Amino acid sequence: DGGITQSPKYLFRKEGQNVTLSCEQNLNHDAMYWYRQDPGQGLRLIYYSQIVNDFQKGDIAEGYSVSREKKESFPLTVTSAQKNPTAFYLCASRGDRRNTGELFFGEGSRLTVL
Amino acid sequence: GENVEQHPSTLSVQEGDSAVIKCTYSDSASNYFPWYKQELGKGPQLIIDIRSNVGEKKDQRIAVTLNKTAKHFSLHITETQPEDSAVYFCAASRNNQGGKLIFGQGTELSVKP
Repeated sequence: DGGITQSPKYLFRKEGQNVTLSCEQNLNHDAMYWYRQDPGQGLRLIYYSQIVNDFQKGDIAEGYSVSREKKESFPLTVTSAQKNPTAFYLCASRGDRRNTGELFFGEGSRLTVL
Repeated sequence: GENVEQHPSTLSVQEGDSAVIKCTYSDSASNYFPWYKQELGKGPQLIIDIRSNVGEKKDQRIAVTLNKTAKHFSLHITETQPEDSAVYFCAASRNNQGGKLIFGQGTELSVKP
C-alpha cells in the first residue's frame, strides 16, 4: 500500500544527544514536511522540502536539521540545541508544491527527552 | 505572519446532536482550506476540504462553509456518533508557498452516547 512510514514510533533520548527521525514515502510526492505537535498548540511547521536537494525553514526550525537526498526520504534530526524537544513529530507529503491535492500524514514519532 | 485561529478548543455533545467548529485566517491570499481528524496516537487524516471559489461543500454528515469576506470557515458535523470523537484541525494554504499548510490549534470533540 502507498503511504508514509515514520520510524521509530517511540524514542527516548538523554539530554545533549542528537536523534534522527526517519520519514519514507512511496507516493511519488514531490513535497515533504515535518510538523511538531504539542498539546493545545496544533501543528507547527519545522521544515519543508519542495524538491530533492532543496528545503526551507518553517516557523520553528531552530534546533532541527533535515536533508532531502532522495525523493522518497526526508529525515529530521533533533539536535542538542533544541531546548524543548519532547513532542509528537509528524511527517507529511503532498503531490506537488503548487498547493493542490491532499496532505498525507504518517503515524508520527513520539520523542521523549529524559 | 500567517495565522489560523480555531475555536472552541474542546467541545462536548450528545450523540445525535450537531457539532460546529470555527476557524479564522489572516492571509487573504489563502485559497485552500482542509479539515483533518486525528485519532489518539495517530496522524491526522483529511475529512473534507474546500477551495476559495466555493462557498459550501457537503459530504454525508460533514459540511464546510467558507466566508471569504470575513476570512472564516466552519466545519459542521450532523447526527454525531461516538466514533466522531477525536481532535479536529482546520488549516489554510495559498499558492507559491511550497504547498505548506498553516494549522489551527485543534478542537477536541467528545460525543457522549
